[in-house]
Amino acid sequence: DTAVSQTPKYLVTQMGNDKSIKCEQNLGHDTMYWYKQDSKKFLKIMFSYNNKELIINETVPNRFSPKSPDKAHLNLHINSLELGDSAVYFCASSQVNAPGPQHFGDGTRLSIL
Amino acid sequence: DQQVKQNSPSLSVQEGRISILNCDYTNSMFDYFLWYKKYPAEGPTFLISISSIKDKNEDGRFTVFLNKSAKHLSLHIVPSQPGDSAVYFCAASARSGGGADGLTFGKGTHLIIQP
Repeated sequence: DTAVSQTPKYLVTQMGNDKSIKCEQNLGHDTMYWYKQDSKKFLKIMFSYNNKELIINETVPNRFSPKSPDKAHLNLHINSLELGDSAVYFCASSQVNAPGPQHFGDGTRLSIL
Repeated sequence: DQQVKQNSPSLSVQEGRISILNCDYTNSMFDYFLWYKKYPAEGPTFLISISSIKDKNEDGRFTVFLNKSAKHLSLHIVPSQPGDSAVYFCAASARSGGGADGLTFGKGTHLIIQP
């Protein structure tokens, strides 16, 4: 029973396409996040959502749009993909106001041809 | 500007010995620190954390030490086991781990345990 699950695990597509990555958590957490790990291996926060409300948007191009249909899901839509979008994207979740770690999914490796 | 730094990209330790991984930070607002372990093609897995009101936290073979004046923390693993071979990330946040802020990560240290 995976706590934070992402699909797909691998995504290979061409420049200019639009794609989505899905994330679901079954931990009952109220906050979900998207992180990007680039070629230099830095993990950087992109977005955080608390109870379906956007809390953080860290200077991410507006081609990236997170969507949270409910507390357990946070999907990431990317329009007009560019070569620089190639990275591993990680979803995470935590409970606000309850000190504790964020729990991560296994990542989605996005490769732009 | 790297607010969390792990200056050793890799570390090799013999099985049974102590592994010490180091992390420095620059942002004095950070008050909650975590260590994550990551295997290839998997997500980071939480290992241990420490709040800034403490200077040590221990969990089994893992101990984290925090020196606030030096803005430095370290993770000690003793004894080191082959399954400990992984990339270790140091991370920090500014709301005692209870806010919706993202974590700020270091670049990771690849720990290799040699038999």
